[in-house]
Amino acid sequence: EPEVTQTPSHQVTQMGQEVILRCVPISNHLYFYWYRQILGQKVEFLVSFYNNEISEKSEIFDDQFSVERPDGSNFTLKIRSTKLEDSAMYFCASMERGTSQYEQYFGPGTRLTVT
Amino acid sequence: GQNIDQPTEMTATEGAIVQINCTYQTSGFNGLFWYQQHAGEAPTFLSYNVLDGLEEKGRFSSFLSRSKGYSYLLLKELQMKDSASYLCAVRDTSGGSYIPTFGRGTSLIVHP
Repeated sequence: EPEVTQTPSHQVTQMGQEVILRCVPISNHLYFYWYRQILGQKVEFLVSFYNNEISEKSEIFDDQFSVERPDGSNFTLKIRSTKLEDSAMYFCASMERGTSQYEQYFGPGTRLTVT
Repeated sequence: GQNIDQPTEMTATEGAIVQINCTYQTSGFNGLFWYQQHAGEAPTFLSYNVLDGLEEKGRFSSFLSRSKGYSYLLLKELQMKDSASYLCAVRDTSGGSYIPTFGRGTSLIVHP
């Protein structure tokens, strides 16, 4: 069964450094998403991406964050100048279509630890 | 945004039935999702309701009442592997967004 993959599974970085989290969505999916989940808290939406541009973003997704689809398969989240509070699990998700009845498929996540 | 309320934690016995409730408030309801999330893992899709009524899928069923802003997830014949967090997520398109908002999740502990 096709699945969303993410690398790395765990990233440790120092405060102020830049990190790039990578995702490979399911190949025939058109909509891509990043979510984060701080330990013990709820899943929070960051950004959605369609047709090579951001379609929606939350208040969390400020100038520190950027997304890119550099080729036909990868979808990346860049966090510039990381802060301690960026420590969280980051999930990528993809969806085949944008209409209501389609579900999002989540990747296994990247655990980001900022020290 | 939506107010999504779920119990924080529930416990149940292996083989039993458990019902996890979710209440919500939206201006433009456009679907409710249930996800299962094991500790340290990604959420996995369980069900989607957009019309009132019960959707059954094996041991799991999900019910929706749009007029009451209420849904439940029913798990039958509980197994130890069902111990996980169950996330209710609601889509409200009144503001033009198609992104579902997640509740805090209900941690279900199944014991022998």
